[in-house]
Amino acid sequence: NAGVTQTPKFRVLKTGQSMTLLCAQDMNHEYMYWYRQDPGMGLRLIHYSVGEGTTAKGEVPDGYNVSRLKKQNFLLGLESAAPSQTSVYFCASSLAGHIMNTEAFFGQGTRLTVV
Amino acid sequence: EDKVVQSPLSLVVHEGDTVTLNCSYEVTNFRSLLWYKQEKKAPTFLFMLTSSGIEKKSGRLSSILDKKELFSILNITATQTGDSAIYLCANAGGTSYGKLTFGQGTILTVHP
Repeated sequence: NAGVTQTPKFRVLKTGQSMTLLCAQDMNHEYMYWYRQDPGMGLRLIHYSVGEGTTAKGEVPDGYNVSRLKKQNFLLGLESAAPSQTSVYFCASSLAGHIMNTEAFFGQGTRLTVV
Repeated sequence: EDKVVQSPLSLVVHEGDTVTLNCSYEVTNFRSLLWYKQEKKAPTFLFMLTSSGIEKKSGRLSSILDKKELFSILNITATQTGDSAIYLCANAGGTSYGKLTFGQGTILTVHP
C-alpha cells in the first residue's frame, strides 16, 4: 500500500533553474494538494485540485504551476526557482464527497534548497 | 479568509508530564477540525472532530472541540520522549470542500 509518493525526496537548485515535483497516489482520491512548510509557518497551501483536469490556487501560489492530467498524479512546477522557494514541500490527497472523509494523507515530503 | 492559530508555539516538558495544546479557528464554513502529529517527515493523522463536546481518545491522547467558542484542545497525559513532535491543527471547510487550513504548529519536546 504505497499511499502518497513524492519524488524526488531532496533537490538542490540554482536560482533561475526549473524543476517539477511529482506526486502520485494510489487511493483513488479526488482531491490532491501541494503544501509548503517553513519554520514557524505551519503548512501553507500552494495549489490544489478537486479532480482530474482541474486545479485551483491556494494561499501562496505565486511562482508555482500545477497540472493534474491524470487522477492519480499531481505535478508541481517551479519555472524559475528563487531562494524564497527553499522549503519542504508536501503533497496530500483526500477522498471528497463525504463530510467524514476530509482526512488528508501526506507524502513523505521533498526538501528543496535553492541557492 | 480562514484562519487557524495554535498555542503555544513550542513547549518543553519532562517525561510523565501532562500537556495541553490549543487550537483556535475562524472559518467561513466549518466542517471538521483535524489534529496531526509530525515527526521527521509526513504529518500523520490523529483525530477528526466534527461535533462539539465529544471527546476523542486514543491511548494517552485525547481531543475535544468547542464549536461555540471556536477552539479545540489536544491533551497528552504521561508524556514520553516519543511524543516529541510538531502537532498540527487543521480546519477542513471554507469555500472549497476538502481543503485544509493549518495552524503554525506546536513543537513539543519531551525530555527524559
